[in-house]
Order: sequence, then structure tokens, then C-alpha cells
Amino acid sequence: GAVVSQHPSWVICKSGTSVKIECRSLDFQATTMFWYRQFPKQSLMLMATSNEGSKATYEQGVEKDKFLINHASLTLSTLTVTSAHPEDSSFYICSAPSAAGIETQYFGPGTRLLVL
Amino acid sequence: GENVEQHPSTLSVQEGDSAVIKCTYSDSASNYFPWYKQELGKRPQLIIDIRSNVGEKKDQRIAVTLNKTAKHFSLHITETQPEDSAVYFCAASDGGGADGLTFGKGTHLIIQP
Repeated sequence: GAVVSQHPSWVICKSGTSVKIECRSLDFQATTMFWYRQFPKQSLMLMATSNEGSKATYEQGVEKDKFLINHASLTLSTLTVTSAHPEDSSFYICSAPSAAGIETQYFGPGTRLLVL
Repeated sequence: GENVEQHPSTLSVQEGDSAVIKCTYSDSASNYFPWYKQELGKRPQLIIDIRSNVGEKKDQRIAVTLNKTAKHFSLHITETQPEDSAVYFCAASDGGGADGLTFGKGTHLIIQP
């Protein structure tokens, strides 16, 4: 199957700092990528849809000025958590469909963020 | 928007027995229903999926059934093994790859030896 990578795998930062998470499709091009957040023992919640060359689409309740998404190329989307606070501590996972028009999504390994 | 309900939240079965997890969805436009297995601290792994033009799909010990009229779909695992222990999530989307997935809350499956 298609391979999606994320970097870093985990990050610890101080409250008020910004953190950038990268999501890469390694063996395919992805015009669309998705960002999810998963709190401990909870389900995955879609945060936003990242579109190559255009603005991201955010789900209701997700602050677009806090979670900045950039999809600058067909293989890379970045999520920047700005002015992170302890309540932003979570598992952030990206996914991408293996091809345009294909529903099957492959997930990255996730990034665990801990904000102190 | 779409809402996916999943039951049970925890399921404990004896090794070798079958396990069934059920989900319902609210949006009749949804036409793609994947199931993911997630082990602690790891990414969700797609185990099987079904599209709305199909009522049932099977892959070895795993099967999924879909009832579009009732808006529910189920995961069936037969001859359960210890390595089947994990959290399982159902999800739904209206397909095409342009929309993200709406997940159920998950089922913690425990296989008792």
C-alpha cells in the first residue's frame, strides 16, 4: 500500500511556542491530505482537509489561525500548532488517499505532542 | 454533518470465538465505510472496507456487511486470535477521496486466552 510518513514522531514544547509537523506521501502524489487529532482513549477527529495549491478547509470548531496548514507540494503538507497550550497536547495523524478519486486512506505514524 | 455511532465500546471474547462490532451512520450520502485496527500508540491500519454498491465483503477471517436502508454496517471477525486484540474503529465518508473520514468512538476488543 501507499506509504505516508510524519515528522517528528514526538515533540515536547513549552507553552506559547509553535510546533510544525510534516506529513509526506513517499511513493505517490497527494493533492489532498487530511489532518486528524486523537486524544488519549478517544477516537480520531478530523481537523482539516489540506489541498495542494489552495487554502485548507477546516472542520467546525477548529481554529484556522491556531492550526496553520500548508500544502506546498504534491507530497508534503505541514501542520503548525501556533502558541501551543497544554490542552493542545494530543496525537496528530495525517492521512492521504492513494490516488485522486480513491477513497482508501493511508495514515501516517502520527506525532505525539506534549505541551508543558 | 455525518455522525457515526459504534457499539460496543468494549468487547471481550474467548480465543477462537467470533466478534461482531456494529456501527450506524446518519448521512445517506455516505457511500464508503472502512474499518481500522489501531494498536496502542500506533497508526490506524485499514483492515477492510466496503462501498455502498456492495452488501458484504470478506477477507479471510474478516467480513463486513452493509445495510444501506437501515444505515448500519458491521465488522465480523471469526476464529479470533490473541493478535486480534486492539481498538477497532469504523468510519464513513461520502467518497471520492475528497472528504475526510468520520470515525466511530472505537471498540476495544479483548481476546481472552
